Amino acid sequence: NAGVTQTPKFQVLKTGQSMTLQCAQDMNHEYMSWYRQDPGMGLRLIHYSVGAGITDQGEVPNGYNVSRSTTEDFPLRLLSAAPSQTSVYFCASSSFPPRGGYTGELFFGEGSRLTVL
Amino acid sequence: QKEVEQDPGPLSVPEGAIVSLNCTYSNSAFQYFMWYRQYSRKGPELLMYTYSSGNKEDGRFTAQVDKSSKYISLFIRDSQPSDSATYLCAMSGGGGANSKLTFGKGITLSVRP
Repeated sequence: NAGVTQTPKFQVLKTGQSMTLQCAQDMNHEYMSWYRQDPGMGLRLIHYSVGAGITDQGEVPNGYNVSRSTTEDFPLRLLSAAPSQTSVYFCASSSFPPRGGYTGELFFGEGSRLTVL
Repeated sequence: QKEVEQDPGPLSVPEGAIVSLNCTYSNSAFQYFMWYRQYSRKGPELLMYTYSSGNKEDGRFTAQVDKSSKYISLFIRDSQPSDSATYLCAMSGGGGANSKLTFGKGITLSVRP
């Protein structure tokens, strides 16, 4: 019963490097999203997808790129890492695309802890 | 003013205490109200979900929504050390299609044995 799987769990980058955080879910969920969690800031939505081939920006999209070629996978790319992107990143999915307000229960991965030096 | 405000805490209580966690919000279009629990170094998981105003009870947990005051609460009765976690309120509603979830910043609760 895997649920939402994120890799890697920990990563250290140097400023300017690029990398991809992987997210996979085995629940056949249409909706997938990426959040970052910072002390005192809570969870902030970076990008989300309501189905394969459809993505949209969240609250803090700058510096990140996403694509959704399959229902299962939703990778998050950091194009040129900056110290401000040091954070814990969570991928989440639900069976309900947000329509009329209800997102359905969000299932979260265990997080990817990124440090940018 | 942020859309969702949550007391920053942290909060420390003795085992057996009644805990009250609260959030206020400014967007009157919010209709769906949730509480997520997050253990240390884990992802959040849904604890309670309420639609519109009213109360909902699940074991030792009670969620209350007062839309007239734009105020939601989570009560934990007979708190246990296993309840030690960060609690995040979350809300959504209005704004048409692709309405997104807005989270509070979370409050860290510690229940002392």
